[in-house]
Amino acid sequence: DVKVTQSSRYLVKRTGEKVFLECVQDMDHENMFWYRQDPGLGLRLIYFSYDVKMKEKGDIPEGYSVSREKKERFSLILESASTNQTSMYLCASSPRYRGRQPQHFGDGTRLSIL
Amino acid sequence: GESVGLHLPTLSVQEGDNSIINCAYSNSASDYFIWYKQESGKGPQFIIDIRSNMDKRQGQRVTVLLNKTVKHLSLQIAATQPGDSAVYFCAENMRGAGGTSYGKLTFGQGTILTVHP
Repeated sequence: DVKVTQSSRYLVKRTGEKVFLECVQDMDHENMFWYRQDPGLGLRLIYFSYDVKMKEKGDIPEGYSVSREKKERFSLILESASTNQTSMYLCASSPRYRGRQPQHFGDGTRLSIL
Repeated sequence: GESVGLHLPTLSVQEGDNSIINCAYSNSASDYFIWYKQESGKGPQFIIDIRSNMDKRQGQRVTVLLNKTVKHLSLQIAATQPGDSAVYFCAENMRGAGGTSYGKLTFGQGTILTVHP
């Protein structure tokens, strides 16, 4: 089974801090994604990566950056955390070269910015 | 941009009943559709998918129907159980320019399914 692991289930940070959210997948997937999930707004794509060192903006990239130095790891960075970034963050991965395949998700990091 | 939407935000059923969760999509270029289940405190879990060259696909206790004419997707759950209580999302994948989409998905808002014993 595909396993997507997010390093923290819960995080509490302060406004202005630099925050790192880590995601690791064990299925050699090329594509990796970061979403945030908010009540009433569903899942919104922040950034995605289709290969090592490659990144593409999603629908809401402002205030975030990402890093993909190794194929299995995709990091989301909040450069200067703000209260409106309090949310559930979900990481997902999928293969790129095996035809149409679903994304597989981690269990999320619930981030609170105080 | 175009989005995927749901007809009903909540659905309550009795244990043993069949459940039908509906989804409308508006992007005629979408060619791959997925249903996910999300339980409280967990990430979305893949249930079943369907490609646009099909109109029906069956899994274990679940069936997905695709009606491209009216751009409608549905998930049928047979003999619904309390463990099926969750939020259900549909998602669509639109093939991008040059045939590349990088697997990007657009998600619906979700339907809350509650199963009463």
